[in-house]
Amino acid sequence: AQKITQTQPGMFVQEKEAVTLDCTYDTSDPSYGLFWYKQPSSGEMIFLIYQGSYDQQNATEGRYSLNFQKARKSANLVISASQLGDSAMYFCAMREGRHDYKLSFGAGTTVTVRA
Amino acid sequence: EAGVVQSPRYKIIEKKQPVAFWCNPISGHNTLYWYRQNLGQGPELLIRYENEEAVDDSQLPKDRFSAERLKGVDSTLKIQPAELGDSAVYLCASSPYSLYSYNEQFFGPGTRLTVL
Repeated sequence: AQKITQTQPGMFVQEKEAVTLDCTYDTSDPSYGLFWYKQPSSGEMIFLIYQGSYDQQNATEGRYSLNFQKARKSANLVISASQLGDSAMYFCAMREGRHDYKLSFGAGTTVTVRA
Repeated sequence: EAGVVQSPRYKIIEKKQPVAFWCNPISGHNTLYWYRQNLGQGPELLIRYENEEAVDDSQLPKDRFSAERLKGVDSTLKIQPAELGDSAVYLCASSPYSLYSYNEQFFGPGTRLTVL
């Protein structure tokens, strides 16, 4: 079974608007962490934001926020005030267990920001 | 601070040829990962090192793939012989170890391998 599901292969967003990228996950471990990475055309994976399973608050990092709904097992990324430089592939990933380092990635969502 | 360095950035070879990829992690990061990313998919872990010890190589196809991290710093991933299906981007990542952090992984730019 897929541990991470990203159902949106591609999305278009107008510059300065917000966009939400969906991510659902599957785990029976009570301790886990959720990550979002950005991969521009240059290929490097850039860390954006992290949410721990025991964190009470939704994570925020600048224009990025994570809408964490634990009961629904979803961890959607919200990018506010989109910029042209946000055009990239976005991956949701999960690490299970308190000390396990293996990341399971979703298939990714391509975001294209239009001027 | 320098990021994760990988070389070469691009490699084109014919099938059955050997190929090697090199990675230099961020200074002080004791954990190193090799991932393979097929076109249109997310990365998949091949092997993870803690210092010089391979602690998770369950996803490494051991008949043709090998890796080493002899001094616990830089690492080499080798494929011999390469097959058409090995065409992918090979990503290296590193992370520090701390009981008190989520141990974010920092990725290099990757090596794009094309097997003809």
